[in-house]
Amino acid sequence: QPVLTQPTSLSASPGTSARFTCTLRSGIDVGPHRIYWYQQKTGSLPRYLLRYNSDSDNQLASGVPSRFSGSKDASSNAGLLLISGLQSEDEADYYCAMWYSTTWVFGGGTKLTVL
Amino acid sequence: EVQLVESGGGLVQPGGSLRLSCAASGFTLRDYAMHWVRQAPGKGLEWVSGISWNSGSIGYADSVKGRFTISRDNAKNSLDLQMNTLRADDTAFYHCVKGYSSSSAGSFDSWGQGTLVTVSS
Repeated sequence: QPVLTQPTSLSASPGTSARFTCTLRSGIDVGPHRIYWYQQKTGSLPRYLLRYNSDSDNQLASGVPSRFSGSKDASSNAGLLLISGLQSEDEADYYCAMWYSTTWVFGGGTKLTVL
Repeated sequence: EVQLVESGGGLVQPGGSLRLSCAASGFTLRDYAMHWVRQAPGKGLEWVSGISWNSGSIGYADSVKGRFTISRDNAKNSLDLQMNTLRADDTAFYHCVKGYSSSSAGSFDSWGQGTLVTVSS
């Protein structure tokens, strides 16, 4: 079982919100871990969006709109990325990442389609 | 402006070796951890290896441990990845990535365009 699991795809309409999940493997508690989120548009390099650990430990990368935000869901042991006010330019692959056991781990990525 | 330019990729037979290099400019290399992250065509991101600012902390993904070696030369503003015993599943674009801080735990900041490694007979 992978350390981080993401749904393969997600679709949403312009102007609505998209909620991405990044579920940690059973036995790894999301509580103490910073979850990082990256956006990769087709043909482009990944772009750092934000990291979230708690309301007092989080960071939105420079230049990233405030309609991008992070959170956690302890009940599902997952990190979350929320994009509100979806725009067509948000269509991309979104990856979560985590520093775990002295290595970096990426989730498999979620492809967002804005239709 | 941060610039990371990778070189050294190419076609290699299974079991062969390659050495990738990354020329860094636009920032003070010795202040930051550096990483190699790969992406197979059409696939997701996979962290390969990371090295702290002073080479005091080095890590590898399990998939490459024992086969790949990361190194850096802060005086020459360069990062290397020696890849031995290459396998078909090592085929990917290899990106040189600047860390967000001096520690390998500081996530990823800027990415190079990547160099393609193809392992095939």
